[in-house]
Amino acid sequence: EIVLTQSPDTLSLSPGERATFSCRASQSISSTYFAWYQQKPGRAPRLLIYASYNRATGIPDRFSGSGSGTDFTLAISRLEPEDFAVYYCQQYGGSPWTFGQGTKVEIK
Amino acid sequence: QVQLQESGPGLVKPSETLSLTCSVSGGSVNSQTYYWSWIRQPPGKRLEWFGYIYDTGRATYNPSLQSRISMSLDVSKNQLSLRLRSVTAADTAVYYCARGELRSLGWLDLWGQGTLVAVSS
Repeated sequence: EIVLTQSPDTLSLSPGERATFSCRASQSISSTYFAWYQQKPGRAPRLLIYASYNRATGIPDRFSGSGSGTDFTLAISRLEPEDFAVYYCQQYGGSPWTFGQGTKVEIK
Repeated sequence: QVQLQESGPGLVKPSETLSLTCSVSGGSVNSQTYYWSWIRQPPGKRLEWFGYIYDTGRATYNPSLQSRISMSLDVSKNQLSLRLRSVTAADTAVYYCARGELRSLGWLDLWGQGTLVAVSS
């Protein structure tokens, strides 16, 4: 099973700042098989990025994904109030598909 | 607009079988374009993927769970179902159904709101 480890666990930032957080895989994954989700309290996850850097339908361009091999990154160029949430990475290159433990982006 | 809605018992006793359904509105479960997955989230823990199902019921399961789970599609009711046998407290979680595109298995672009299941005597 491919284990995904996200860092940091929590990121404290102010609206307008740039957010960057990482996801490291226990083994190499093709960039085709990597996604990011956003989850707000009491809500279902929402797909942000698929195949490492492709934004899902309706996702604003302040969200960007990158990475390959074992290291992947999600960046939010300028935080909006609605961006404070928990972010999860996911790999689907190996079975089972697995998720990271999440990074919480909180208001500083 | 396609929507997914999970439903379940809320509370299940240890050793029993958990049965969940996911009703699909605005689309068809036997679509040739989409597959359907179940994912759960135990309190304070990461998301866990159960498997996916598509077409007339072809399924692939998480190897660590496959001895206890089965998924099915009911085209007449436009629903997908999950059965999880021999539940324990560790199966307490919010259970989600979700959809993805068959052309690129893996990412899930539409999720239901989730249903909370507690396992307790």
